[in-house]
Amino acid sequence: QPVLTQSSSASASLGSSVKLTCTLSSGHSSYTIAWHQQQPGKAPRYLMKLEHSGRYNKGSGVPDRFSGSSSGADRYLTISNLQFEDEADYYCETWDSNPNWVFGGGTKLTVL
Amino acid sequence: QVQLQESGPGLVKPSQTLSLTCTVSGGSISSGNYYWSWIRQTPGKGLEWIGYIHYSGSTYYNPSLKSRVTISLDTSKNQFSLKLSSVTAADTAVYYCARDPWFDPWGQGTLVTVSS
Repeated sequence: QPVLTQSSSASASLGSSVKLTCTLSSGHSSYTIAWHQQQPGKAPRYLMKLEHSGRYNKGSGVPDRFSGSSSGADRYLTISNLQFEDEADYYCETWDSNPNWVFGGGTKLTVL
Repeated sequence: QVQLQESGPGLVKPSQTLSLTCTVSGGSISSGNYYWSWIRQTPGKGLEWIGYIHYSGSTYYNPSLKSRVTISLDTSKNQFSLKLSSVTAADTAVYYCARDPWFDPWGQGTLVTVSS
């Protein structure tokens, strides 16, 4: 089954951009993933589905500041013009054919 | 816009069965090729998928929980439910329901504590 690896934390300044990474384990580099945002004390929120090709489909109401891209086994979430409300935990998620859904450990983003 | 809402007891005794219900509003649980999932979140293990049910009634469960999990559907009430048997303190978590694919949207979550 695939394993998703994320850095535990990241930080960036208000108004800047940040790129978060989710890395798929060996043998699973072609998998599609999804990104979810979890603001403090809230439920996760679906942000986008991101394919190996780099094509992504965002959820309803997700700001244009959020975009996705891919390179090999890496899946990226880029947030431009960072706002304080972007301070949150970000999780990637995928599934395999068993079927089974797996999550990354999450990245805690701090906006300075 | 589809919305999901979890409900159920917030406290369950060890060895008993945890029971939660997810009510779907803004759309029919029987429409579209969707799967309806349960996920839980603990500080130690992060997010863990528990299982899902399709509107046809087919189910799939996380192999690590399969022996204790039952997910069922009540289309007349537009609800689906989770039962987790023989609970221990390790099952203390925030439980979410969500629509597949890709868990969009999620419910607001409900904290379930296992304690005597």
